[in-house]
Amino acid sequence: GENVEQHPSTLSVQEGDSAVIKCTYSDSASNYFPWYKQELGKRPQLIIDIRSNVGEKKDQRIAVTLNKTAKHFSLHITETQPEDSAVYFCAAIGFQKLVFGTGTRLLVSP
Amino acid sequence: GAGVSQSPSNKVTEKGKDVELRCDPISGHTALYWYRQSLGQGLEFLIYFQGNSAPDKSGLPSDRFSAERTGGSVSTLTIQRTQQEDSAVYLCASSLNGVNTGELFFGEGSRLTVL
Repeated sequence: GENVEQHPSTLSVQEGDSAVIKCTYSDSASNYFPWYKQELGKRPQLIIDIRSNVGEKKDQRIAVTLNKTAKHFSLHITETQPEDSAVYFCAAIGFQKLVFGTGTRLLVSP
Repeated sequence: GAGVSQSPSNKVTEKGKDVELRCDPISGHTALYWYRQSLGQGLEFLIYFQGNSAPDKSGLPSDRFSAERTGGSVSTLTIQRTQQEDSAVYLCASSLNGVNTGELFFGEGSRLTVL
C-alpha cells in the first residue's frame, strides 16, 4: 500500500523567513496530494492540494510542488507569520483513502 | 449540519471497558473515514465507508475495533475491552464523493483516555 514519509518533524523559523516541508510517497498511481494544517487542539484543515497533472500550485503565501518522477512533493510557505505555527501533514491517495505523513511541527518566532 | 460532529469530545474509561464513539458527517457526504491520532503522532487510517459499498477495514488495529454506518449517515466506532494503548484522539472525516473528488472535512475528534 501507499507509504508517505515527511521531513522534517520539527521546523523553527523566524518571522518573515520561508519554510519548506518535504514528503515522499511510494505508490506511483497516486494522483492527489493535499496538505492539512492542524493548530493546537483543533481539527486538521485543508490548506492546499495538487493533482498529478500539474507541477506547482500557489495560493498567496503558500505553494506546493510535485515531482512525479521522483515521487516527492513539497510545501513552501513564504513570509512566515506567527499564526502559521501549527502541525502540517502531507498526504497521498492509496486505494481511495488518504495516507498521511507523520507531520511537521512548524514554529514561527516573532 | 454545518460540519462533521463527533461525540463525546472526551471519554475517560477503565481498562477492559467497551466504548462507543459517534460521528455525524456533513449532510450529503457519501464518504466517511475514521483516523486515530496518538499524542504527537500522525493520522493513522482505521476504516473507510463509501456509499453502500463494503467498508475498507484494512486499518483497524485489532478485532477489538469495529465500526458501522447506519443509513449512509451516522457512524459509530466501537472499541471493546479497551487497553491503555487505545488512548488517542479518534478523528472522523467526511467527503462528498470520496477523497479522489474532494476535500476531507474533519470533526473535532473524540479524545479517549484509558486508565
